[in-house]
Amino acid sequence: SYELTQPPSVSVSPGQTASITCSGDKLGDNYAGWYQQKAGQSPVLVIYQDTKRPSGIPERFSGSNSGNTATLTISGTQTMDEADYYCQAWDSGTVVFGGGTKLTVL
Amino acid sequence: QVHLVQSGAEMKKPGASVKVSCKASGYIFISHYMHWVRQVPGQGLEWMGIINPNGGPTRYAQKFQGRVTMTRDTSTSTVYMELSSLRYEDTAVFYCARGLSAADAFDIWGQGTMVTVSS
Repeated sequence: SYELTQPPSVSVSPGQTASITCSGDKLGDNYAGWYQQKAGQSPVLVIYQDTKRPSGIPERFSGSNSGNTATLTISGTQTMDEADYYCQAWDSGTVVFGGGTKLTVL
Repeated sequence: QVHLVQSGAEMKKPGASVKVSCKASGYIFISHYMHWVRQVPGQGLEWMGIINPNGGPTRYAQKFQGRVTMTRDTSTSTVYMELSSLRYEDTAVFYCARGLSAADAFDIWGQGTMVTVSS
């Protein structure tokens, strides 16, 4: 079955740029989405179709997807961005999530 | 405003079934696919399956095949997820989530329903 691999954790200082990767075989051939989940809350879509931001998502969130890797980039990271982040893609008519990355801002 | 409102927390015994509802509002119910996602406490997101509110076949993740049934009621704009033969390891939060479009991301999520399996 198809798998998406994320680093378990990423740390960043406030104001710096955070990059979270998501790896999967030929992932760049499919759209990738990214979700932010804060403790005790439902996930929130922050990036869809590789690079698009839903209404209300700050411009500091951006995405890319090429080859085997999709990347979520948070520029000028703020303390409020501390959360778990999950990538997602479709494969053969089913949905796959990455294992999640805990972003720590300190 | 678009909302997905799920039914309340449930406690079930092993072997029982649970049926969770997800009521949609603020948009045309049949115009978006709906997904169900499971999250075991402390773990990641796990896709369970998809239902087309406009009819047609549902599709379930292989892991849940034979135990999960997704249905919908267009008269009340509600989708349902029933999971049978519950095990202790099914203790989790279950989310419904609206698909942006076919084979796309999930733009709206319900608040989640906690299901606890305990004897």
